[in-house]
Amino acid sequence: QSVLTQPPSASGTPGQKVTISCSGSSSHVGSAYVFWFQQLPGTAPKLLISRQNQRASGVPDRFSGSKSGTSVSLAISGLRSEDEGDYYCAAWDDGLSGWVFGGGTKLTVL
Amino acid sequence: QITLKESGPTLVKPTQTLTLTCTLSGFSITNSGVGVGWIRQPPGKALQWLGIIYWNDDVRYTPSLKTRLTITKDSSTNQVVLIMTDVGPVDTATYYCVHSLFRTPDVWGQGTTVSVSS
Repeated sequence: QSVLTQPPSASGTPGQKVTISCSGSSSHVGSAYVFWFQQLPGTAPKLLISRQNQRASGVPDRFSGSKSGTSVSLAISGLRSEDEGDYYCAAWDDGLSGWVFGGGTKLTVL
Repeated sequence: QITLKESGPTLVKPTQTLTLTCTLSGFSITNSGVGVGWIRQPPGKALQWLGIIYWNDDVRYTPSLKTRLTITKDSSTNQVVLIMTDVGPVDTATYYCVHSLFRTPDVWGQGTTVSVSS
């Protein structure tokens, strides 16, 4: 069972906007160190968003992160077929001195 | 350009010790603030943080595996090594090493797949 909670699946059609949520304790999602990763089929995870809303280098502005209350969200606008894959949220845990992860959300582009 | 590459056995027998090596390129493990972490992913499952070693030799482990894990670094070869003792089928996973700066796992290795089976 993952520390952070994500919906197991999400879907959208090309061009649409999709939002993936991630909830957890305030010590996790309230932290400045919240991340989103994209894992395309058969590849390693790739950092998309750091510090809740900072896009990693080379990440298109179709991807954005936000926080509301005790959850954070990843929004993907202008959905493309190549966005299909798994998306994970993560947060730094000061008590562990390490990262905790969500269970992942499988994004399907219909 | 920062890259990391994992290497090690693809098949290990139960109760054996697993040793994985992460070879770093484009940065030094001795650079201030740098950490190299290990994260694994069982087939079809989520990511799990295992541990991290920092430039100053500080090492942290996930509590559930702390007694079975050792992470070391070799500055001369710019490599980080993960040792996991007494492996079992539940340790079957793809193992990733990651570059971390300011708590951000920003660059991942390609991963190495390990199966535990007799």
